[in-house]
Amino acid sequence: NAGVTQTPKFRVLKTGQSMTLLCAQDMNHEYMYWYRQDPGMGLRLIHYSVGEGTTAKGEVPDGYNVSRLKKQNFLLGLESAAPSQTSVYFCASTPGANRYEQYFGPGTRLTVT
Amino acid sequence: GEDVEQSLFLSVREGDSSVINCTYTDSSSTYLYWYKQEPGAGLQLLTYIFSNMDMKQDQRLTVLLNKKDKHLSLRIADTQTGDSAIYFCAESISWTGANNLFFGTGTRLTVIP
Repeated sequence: NAGVTQTPKFRVLKTGQSMTLLCAQDMNHEYMYWYRQDPGMGLRLIHYSVGEGTTAKGEVPDGYNVSRLKKQNFLLGLESAAPSQTSVYFCASTPGANRYEQYFGPGTRLTVT
Repeated sequence: GEDVEQSLFLSVREGDSSVINCTYTDSSSTYLYWYKQEPGAGLQLLTYIFSNMDMKQDQRLTVLLNKKDKHLSLRIADTQTGDSAIYFCAESISWTGANNLFFGTGTRLTVIP
């Protein structure tokens, strides 16, 4: 099993550009999450999904959209990137039900200039 | 919202024990977790404890939970240079319905040879 993978690993965007970050998991997990990590702030939840076709807002959803068209994939979109979205983005998944431990991808480092 | 607090830095000498502390606010937490993040990598689940337990030991790791004071600690025995990393505690909140975790800001452990 590859676990949780993220594409791309690094990206530099100009303000106003758009992009999509892809998260894939091969563990048949029900729940998936997108976080951002900023220095001194820990991880903050952007959006999450409790199953294929469902998404919900987390703590810091503004400026991002997500889609979960297939159970194994969770996409995070930035429609018009801003410098404040410079961050490291992590995807995670968990089996669901009474299982709370989350398994993380390696991260995507995004810089918006 | 939920508030999970950790001190930012800890330095120890190789071979000594490390104790990383965490306080949380939500008394309905079901599980509490410790994650390790090495430079440039995602978060790796180290260990977790169910909220009705006081202690859990796993090789060099000992987790202590004081539910009355909402205090969690991670003790690493015989700390090695490979233990240098950022350690995050996290609490699961059962009422969210999505197995969401709330993370602390992380404690950067530096092991001095």
